[in-house]
Amino acid sequence: ETGVTQSPTHLIKTRGQQVTLRCSSQSGHNTVSWYQQALGQGPQFIFQYYREEENGRGNFPPRFSGLQFPNYSSELNVNALELDDSALYLCASSLRSRDESRQYFGPGTRLTVT
Amino acid sequence: RKEVEQDPGPFNVPEGATVAFNCTYSNSASQSFFWYRQDCRKEPKLLMSVYSSGNEDGRFTAQLNRASQYISLLIRDSKLSDSATYLCVVTSYNQGGKLIFGQGTELSVKP
Repeated sequence: ETGVTQSPTHLIKTRGQQVTLRCSSQSGHNTVSWYQQALGQGPQFIFQYYREEENGRGNFPPRFSGLQFPNYSSELNVNALELDDSALYLCASSLRSRDESRQYFGPGTRLTVT
Repeated sequence: RKEVEQDPGPFNVPEGATVAFNCTYSNSASQSFFWYRQDCRKEPKLLMSVYSSGNEDGRFTAQLNRASQYISLLIRDSKLSDSATYLCVVTSYNQGGKLIFGQGTELSVKP
């Protein structure tokens, strides 16, 4: 519906492992934001990428890192997974401009760390 | 204190009821305001933007009081399909446009 896709849909990892999540933006959008949503909470901002550069970061440790590619798709990498990293990871694409702050979310990747 | 706070839920209402959600935000520099709807285990979807003059979309009315840093959402004539979690969202341009979400209020509309 939004044109934003994420993969994989679900993922189970073991504590200490590393994970890469992927996101494809809506056509024409140049900005990607990543959010973590723990059960029963609202999404929390992880970071945002604009034209392949990090453009703002939330209160997440450095083991959360990302990339944005020339086609504006993006990856979220998490190293040394902890149990508390279990959550729904959402990416949202947008067209950065002064008057446009709407973000369109992908379906999310549900990560379970055991 | 959380940047965006919402009424705790859940709200359980009968079909046809009117229900109101409240939200407060702490950053007076906030510039854009939204209500998102999130169905169980799905992504948040934009329900409506909130403007200072207040705005209406069918059965939904949103209001913003900048002086009180307060946002509201009113749903009239509730439908079973309105059952979802409603997220109050705030953003400001000087924060790079990151969305700041409240914890959400769950609404359950019963027959």
